[in-house]
Amino acid sequence: GAGVSQSPRYKVAKRGQDVALRCDPISGHVSLFWYQQALGQGPEFLTYFQNEAQLDKSGLPSDRFFAERPEGSVSTLKIQRTQQEDSAVYLCASSPTGFSNQPQHFGDGTRLSIL
Amino acid sequence: AQTVTQSQPEMSVQEAETVTLSCTYDTSESDYYLFWYKQPPSRQMILVIRQEAYKQQNATENRFSVNFQKAAKSFSLKISDSQLGDAAMYFCAYFGNQFYFGTGTSLTVIP
Repeated sequence: GAGVSQSPRYKVAKRGQDVALRCDPISGHVSLFWYQQALGQGPEFLTYFQNEAQLDKSGLPSDRFFAERPEGSVSTLKIQRTQQEDSAVYLCASSPTGFSNQPQHFGDGTRLSIL
Repeated sequence: AQTVTQSQPEMSVQEAETVTLSCTYDTSESDYYLFWYKQPPSRQMILVIRQEAYKQQNATENRFSVNFQKAAKSFSLKISDSQLGDAAMYFCAYFGNQFYFGTGTSLTVIP
């Protein structure tokens, strides 16, 4: 497809379970971003990759959150020992280069609900 | 720290009329970029317009234009000839060394 693809679109997990969220960026895009969007709020930055290098992970809320992009394309956001406050929409975005002037192209997001 | 503030949680506009959405930001950086994104209920964020901080000229994209006041750190979005399809959440975003979004303004278009 031509756009950013995220899967699953919806994920329900019990508190304490581990979850993995997948992002397929636009082919050839260098930069990949993960955001967390709580209900009624704007996206909050989690982490940023340039190719396979994770250049900024300052937004990850705790060490339970881990992201990787081992081959510089597909990325996975993993949340261990999920808690109710992790319930949110997780957005992935990609951009063509490593420069901030490029608009980010967003996926549809994964809505995570922790019971 | 950089922050983005959207002081209007909700706005409404009559179809075909003009509406302005406000955004202010705080930064110590000199080089950065500002964006407006639209998020319909379907959830996918769509780019509306982009402004480079080093450019004095305000960006324009068809019915959408911005009023960029760098000294005041203000970046408002004007939508002219509003259409029903413009109804959505609108987010102001700051991209510099880090990436910040505002809390959004929900725009309703009244037929």
